Amino acid sequence: TQLLEQSPQFLSIQEGENLTVYCNSSSVFSSLQWYRQEPGEGPVLLVTVVTGGEVKKLKRLTFQFGDARKDSSLHITAAQPGDTGLYLCAGAFTSGTYKYIFGTGTRLKVLA
Amino acid sequence: KAGVTQTPRYLIKTRGQQVTLSCSPISGHRSVSWYQQTPGQGLQFLFEYFSETQRNKGNFPGRFSGRQFSNSRSEMNVSTLELGDSALYLCASSLGGLREQYFGPGTRLTVT
Repeated sequence: TQLLEQSPQFLSIQEGENLTVYCNSSSVFSSLQWYRQEPGEGPVLLVTVVTGGEVKKLKRLTFQFGDARKDSSLHITAAQPGDTGLYLCAGAFTSGTYKYIFGTGTRLKVLA
Repeated sequence: KAGVTQTPRYLIKTRGQQVTLSCSPISGHRSVSWYQQTPGQGLQFLFEYFSETQRNKGNFPGRFSGRQFSNSRSEMNVSTLELGDSALYLCASSLGGLREQYFGPGTRLTVT
């Protein structure tokens, strides 16, 4: 059974601080996606990483895929209140069939 | 390009009743996946339909069923509702396979 563990589960920081969220598994992903979800809404896709060691940047957000494609991280520089939300990673697996497994989520609150 | 739409957005039902939720994918997307999201279990995969055929199924009881129409719109049905079925039900559309998923806003189901 594939599991995706995210850490930390909760994070409350001041505006301007930096933070990193981690997504780990014992299984190899075909690809990995990061989403942000706001209360009462569906997750919004932020990025997809496919290649081991890949780094993608989206303004103040930096996403990294581990060399072995078993882990990923999301780093936010100079966090702003608008970054508040639930961050989810989703790993795509192709063992027999294909499926997405979602991480447990990291709830981020950025205080002004 | 219009996003994924889900109807209704909110629903209150009584134990033992049944419910049907609807999802219209992004134009051109033939794959629709359904997820259940609860605070305790996170996002869990229910099933995926592609071109009117169920291609993947998660570990949910047979009370949860779905179908997809020729225009790719999908419905999800839950029969004999239980209190534990209270959740946010999300659908996601994609081009198929492990292509990127785009989520709708969800249907918030409350079972009393």
